[in-house]
Amino acid sequence: EADIYQTPRYLVIGTGKKITLECSQTMGHDKMYWYQQDPGMELHLIHYSYGVNSTEKGDLSSESTVSRIRTEHFPLTLESARPSHTSQYLCASRPDRNTQYFGPGTRLTVL
Amino acid sequence: DQQVKQNSPSLSVQEGRISILNCDYTNSMFDYFLWYKKYPAEGPTFLISISSIKDKNEDGRFTVFLNKSAKHLSLHIVPSQPGDSAVYFCAATISGTYKYIFGTGTRLKVLA
Repeated sequence: EADIYQTPRYLVIGTGKKITLECSQTMGHDKMYWYQQDPGMELHLIHYSYGVNSTEKGDLSSESTVSRIRTEHFPLTLESARPSHTSQYLCASRPDRNTQYFGPGTRLTVL
Repeated sequence: DQQVKQNSPSLSVQEGRISILNCDYTNSMFDYFLWYKKYPAEGPTFLISISSIKDKNEDGRFTVFLNKSAKHLSLHIVPSQPGDSAVYFCAATISGTYKYIFGTGTRLKVLA
């Protein structure tokens, strides 16, 4: 069973607020991901990390930023939330190419 | 252009019968294929994967078949149980990259 955690699970905030979505894993995986998913749609990669101090933007244009100061921690930050950021945000990590484990997700609603 | 397609948005199956979920792909550079199950308000749960050099992988009630010539893979669940009711996603990794490409999912409903 994968040990990957996300907080908060649900968040409702007003436009213009700064928010940080937390993601932690206790498996020691170097590779971590952030995805965005809207209902009925595929997952879109927004950020990727190879390891500590190594991050890349994904295919989906995102106004969010990430950091990877510790192996186990991969937070995502929105400096100024907008209604277009309303979505589900999923964090994942992987030990190898044929396995990827997801956290429970954060459902974000921006009013 | 969607590289991984799940053309059936939903599927209903009687409990105890076989569920077959399908996925088509277009990119010959995919080297691994994965299946996930997702319940509402939860993250996807990894089920099973297959390397592009194999044509079958089995794990308990779940079997994945890969037909490279047709660029098609399928997930078989036997026997289906009501707890299998969820959305199933297929995904593929591009050789030499870190990327996973996901399909849009198929909602499976197993009827008791």
